[in-house]
Amino acid sequence: DAGVIQSPRHEVTEMGQEVTLRCKPISGHNSLFWYRQTMMRGLELLIYFNNNVPIDDSGMPEDRFSAKMPNASFSTLKIQPSEPRDSAVYFCASSFEDSARRFGQGTRLTVV
Amino acid sequence: GENVEQHPSTLSVQEGDSAVIKCTYSDSASNYFPWYKQELGKRPQLIIDIRSNVGEKKDQRIAVTLNKTAKHFSLHITETQPEDSAVYFCAASTRAAGNKLTFGGGTRVLVKP
Repeated sequence: DAGVIQSPRHEVTEMGQEVTLRCKPISGHNSLFWYRQTMMRGLELLIYFNNNVPIDDSGMPEDRFSAKMPNASFSTLKIQPSEPRDSAVYFCASSFEDSARRFGQGTRLTVV
Repeated sequence: GENVEQHPSTLSVQEGDSAVIKCTYSDSASNYFPWYKQELGKRPQLIIDIRSNVGEKKDQRIAVTLNKTAKHFSLHITETQPEDSAVYFCAASTRAAGNKLTFGGGTRVLVKP
């Protein structure tokens, strides 16, 4: 399989701008997860979906963050407006039931 | 919710020696314990996992042990090689929590040639 595909790989944006990160999970996987990784906080789960339905968004930092999964093959994570403290690597991961979680290559976001 | 503690945060070993990383978890209902390896600038990749009905699992030079009574699990790497240098993360999850994986803080392993 092609693995979990994320785009873009790198994003540099100015504070206040809207940022949209995209993810295509592995075909057949029914769970999708968005993580944020920083040196200070490590790997944090932001939100996850099961069968396209958001199950737990308790990790979403604040209302500026939103995530959608309109179908089984696509999800977005949006930050509006972006702030410098949002700079991090954002990973998308997918799995089937409780099988091993596979990560995408990540999007490195820099907000200046 | 689940809390996973991982130790040590950094580990330096001589090539050929063994490395051991330990994790403890708080939720006794956790039943799935994967380990991920993350090389610099790359994604976390699953290297081995264990479920609560198994006490030990081995795959070539890596092994994981689980003690459910004490709520801890460990990763053992034998005959370390320079390519084992990376950050290793343990994690725990429970089906009841919707397979929500909680990660430890990571261990940076450096294998010195």
